[in-house]
Amino acid sequence: QVQLVQSGAEVKKPGAPVKVSCKASGYTFTSNKMHWVRQAPGQGLEWMGMINPSGGSTTYAQNLRGRVAMARDTSTSTFYMELSSLRSEDTAVYYCARDDTKWAIDYWGQGTLVTVSS
Amino acid sequence: QSALTQPPSVSGSPGQSVTISCTGTSSDVGSYNHVSWYQQSPGTAPKLMIYEVNNRPSGVPDRFSGSKSGNTASLTISGLQAEDEADYYCNSFTTSSTWVFGGGTKLTVL
Repeated sequence: QVQLVQSGAEVKKPGAPVKVSCKASGYTFTSNKMHWVRQAPGQGLEWMGMINPSGGSTTYAQNLRGRVAMARDTSTSTFYMELSSLRSEDTAVYYCARDDTKWAIDYWGQGTLVTVSS
Repeated sequence: QSALTQPPSVSGSPGQSVTISCTGTSSDVGSYNHVSWYQQSPGTAPKLMIYEVNNRPSGVPDRFSGSKSGNTASLTISGLQAEDEADYYCNSFTTSSTWVFGGGTKLTVL
């Protein structure tokens, strides 16, 4: 069965970077792109970007370009999302979410809470 | 890329039908049939309910249906049940090869 297991909660100071991991299992790692989606407390979903594990190409949301970087490690079937220059507005639950190849997302990680506070 | 526009809330009584709209632009909803809908209950990850405008994944009740006209997509839930109470989000692929979510709609079953 498909599983996406994310790293644990983080508390960061403003200006610091954060790196969240997402270990995929139960399917062929290179067959499906991976999205990253975040949700601030009490707010809606925000698409951050996606990575194609076959080759590593990325596409980022315009408002995050320059601050976000997505990567993958095919040897460990793990995806990474790094967000730099953190601000209080970046406090959110961050999800990795698998593209189902039919222009939708079929599996989600459990979410990682990132809190930005001085 | 601005978020797609959804009504903040809708409500209905058990057995009734409700429709949630999702309005975008010619750069997203209007350009592709790549519209999907997600249901999210408090404290849980979203769940895919509809993909490619009007397709239901296996296991999703046929009470859930989707449609699209121009720049607006819609999710209709018929025969409302208490368990349908949740937040619903639309999503679309865009001409910039990015994706965009709607702001979300809270469905209350009265």
